[in-house]
Amino acid sequence: AQKITQTQPGMFVQEKEAVTLDCTYDTSDQSYGLFWYKQPSSGEMIFLIYQGSYDEQNATEGRYSLNFQKARKSANLVISASQLGDSAMYFCAMRGPGTSYGKLTFGQGTILTVHP
Amino acid sequence: DVKVTQSSRYLVKRTGEKVFLECVQDMDHENMFWYRQDPGLGLRLIYFSYDVKMKEKGDIPEGYSVSREKKERFSLILESASTNQTSMYLCASSHAGTAFRSPLHFGNGTRLTVT
Repeated sequence: AQKITQTQPGMFVQEKEAVTLDCTYDTSDQSYGLFWYKQPSSGEMIFLIYQGSYDEQNATEGRYSLNFQKARKSANLVISASQLGDSAMYFCAMRGPGTSYGKLTFGQGTILTVHP
Repeated sequence: DVKVTQSSRYLVKRTGEKVFLECVQDMDHENMFWYRQDPGLGLRLIYFSYDVKMKEKGDIPEGYSVSREKKERFSLILESASTNQTSMYLCASSHAGTAFRSPLHFGNGTRLTVT
C-alpha cells in the first residue's frame, strides 16, 4: 500500500520569499510517480508538477520545483518568489505500478498563506 | 483544455434522502474517479471507473454507489444520505495508458451538507 504524509498543516511565508512544503511517501515499489496539486479557495484542483521515480533531474515548472530525495522518500515542493495568489491548500500525491487504472493516493494537505 | 464539470457547487440534503452527484468530462477520458475531501484527511477515493459500465471500489465505498452509462458521465449516488457524508466531493478524470505521468483533471467540487 502507498502512503503520503504531509506533516505541515499550515505554513506562512512573506511575499517574494521562497517556501518549501514537505511531502514524504511510503512505498515498496521502485517505479512510481509523484504529483503536486494546488487548491485555491475556489475549490478547483490545479495540477502543478510531476516527478517520476526514475527521472534523473528534479522537476521544475516555472516558480515550482520539486526537491526529490529518493533515498529519503521525500518529494518536497519549493515555491520561489511567493505571490499572494499562491495562498491555497497544496496536496502531494503518488501513483505506483500496481495502482488500479491510474488512481492517485493523496496526503492530508498543507495550507499556505502568503503575507504581503 | 480538459473540462470536468460537476453539476452542483453546493447541495443541502436531509438524512435518508437519495442523493445524486453528477460529473461530466469532455476529453474522452477512459478513467473517472470520485474522491471526498475532509479537513486533515486529504482526498480519499470512493469509487472509480475505467470504462462504461465498469467500476471498482476505492478506499471508502461504504454508503455510496456509482453509475457510468456513458463514457463522459460518472454519477455518485448516496443511497441514504447520512450526516457523516457531509463533505466536499471531487470528480476527476484521466486518460488511460500514459503510465505514471498522466495527471488527474478535477472538477470544481460539490460541497454537500446533510442535515
